[in-house]
Amino acid sequence: AQSVTQLDSHVSVSEGTPVLLRCNYSSSYSPSLFWYVQHPNKGLQLLLKYTSAATLVKGINGFEAEFKKSETSFHLTKPSAHMSDAAEYFCVVSGDNFNKFYFGSGTKLNVKP
Amino acid sequence: GAVVSQHPSRVICKSGTSVKIECRSLDFQATTMFWYRQFPKKSLMLMATSNEGSKATYEQGVEKDKFLINHASLTLSTLTVTSAHPEDSSFYICSASSGAGYEQYFGPGTRLTVT
Repeated sequence: AQSVTQLDSHVSVSEGTPVLLRCNYSSSYSPSLFWYVQHPNKGLQLLLKYTSAATLVKGINGFEAEFKKSETSFHLTKPSAHMSDAAEYFCVVSGDNFNKFYFGSGTKLNVKP
Repeated sequence: GAVVSQHPSRVICKSGTSVKIECRSLDFQATTMFWYRQFPKKSLMLMATSNEGSKATYEQGVEKDKFLINHASLTLSTLTVTSAHPEDSSFYICSASSGAGYEQYFGPGTRLTVT
């Protein structure tokens, strides 16, 4: 069975400081993992995805995530937060062959000026 | 590429009426479409998976007679909320995939308010 745990429901950082959003997964298969961002009243935008290639995945807007099988983690990072990064972030694990997506509970990122 | 649209973006309906939400893949053929529901400040919950030309597969706890899903073509799936009640008010999001082994592309969502 697949599941995702996002360890923090809220994260608050100052503009220009690093961002760390934590995600742990459980999967019966070799997982595909994704991070999506959702701005208020907007749809989901794909930030990055891991599909069994390089374990360090670079995404859009300076975000990256590292797949660590031994820790069953896929944490999202960004070296320097920008005000426009304030949004809800979802970690997602897919079932076999992308058949189903299992969403984490989300982490709301607040960026302080 | 890989654009998915939803219509309408917002809809308000009266309790007891039905409302239809459309999900379209604009530039690819979607053999599989997914419907999700997002409660306020909550995560997305998968409601059902539909494959073109066949009946939708509903997740446990989702009433198939209340949430009618039709996937009649490779570019269009519809979700009809029948006899809507205020508790059906939610943000409904669809996604589309070219099939097994291909990732999902999400629509912008539809905000349903039942008064």
